[in-house]
Amino acid sequence: KQEVTQIPAALSVPEGENLVLNCSFTDSAIYNLQWFRQDPGKGLTSLLLIQSSQREQTSGRLNASLDKSSGRSTLYIAASQPGDSATYLCAVGDSNYQLIWGAGTKLIIKP
Amino acid sequence: NAGVTQTPKFQVLKTGQSMTLQCAQDMNHEYMSWYRQDPGMGLRLIHYSVGAGITDQGEVPNGYNVSRSTTEDFPLRLLSAAPSQTSVYFCASSPRLAGDGNIQYFGAGTRLSVL
Repeated sequence: KQEVTQIPAALSVPEGENLVLNCSFTDSAIYNLQWFRQDPGKGLTSLLLIQSSQREQTSGRLNASLDKSSGRSTLYIAASQPGDSATYLCAVGDSNYQLIWGAGTKLIIKP
Repeated sequence: NAGVTQTPKFQVLKTGQSMTLQCAQDMNHEYMSWYRQDPGMGLRLIHYSVGAGITDQGEVPNGYNVSRSTTEDFPLRLLSAAPSQTSVYFCASSPRLAGDGNIQYFGAGTRLSVL
């Protein structure tokens, strides 16, 4: 059974720092991996989608990488800003075309 | 575009009561799903639908019922509420199956407490 883990559960960094969020999964047979952002009291917003054949995707200050063989993905945030404070979740598309979710990393950017 | 709309935003129930969480989308998406989010855990799929008239169970379907009479609406029914169903519920939609590389759009969630 696919399991998705995100460590750490919470992270606090000063504004302006570059940072990396981690996502690991136990079964490398995935179709894709997605990163989402969740703001308090709001729904989830899709940030980046990496297909299984891709190694990375970029959107603005965000860069997501995927290494299927090691069961890992990272979300790199450059020049962090207070507005980046949120919970970041990763999810993998499994063989049933459903998403299996990690519990998320709560990120706080200190001004 | 309104996107995905969930109502109500908050609800308190007593054990044994029933209720329906509403979900509507205006993007003509075929795929809709219900998740629950509990502290320290990832989202878990309750039920999903790949089109009007077609529904299927997800990972945690017990105690919940769904129907899909139109493309736009996908209500979730709690048959007899239990404290274990205290959670935040999210509805989502996408053009096709979520795990097939389709971007999912989420509602703002319903925070449910069962006493």
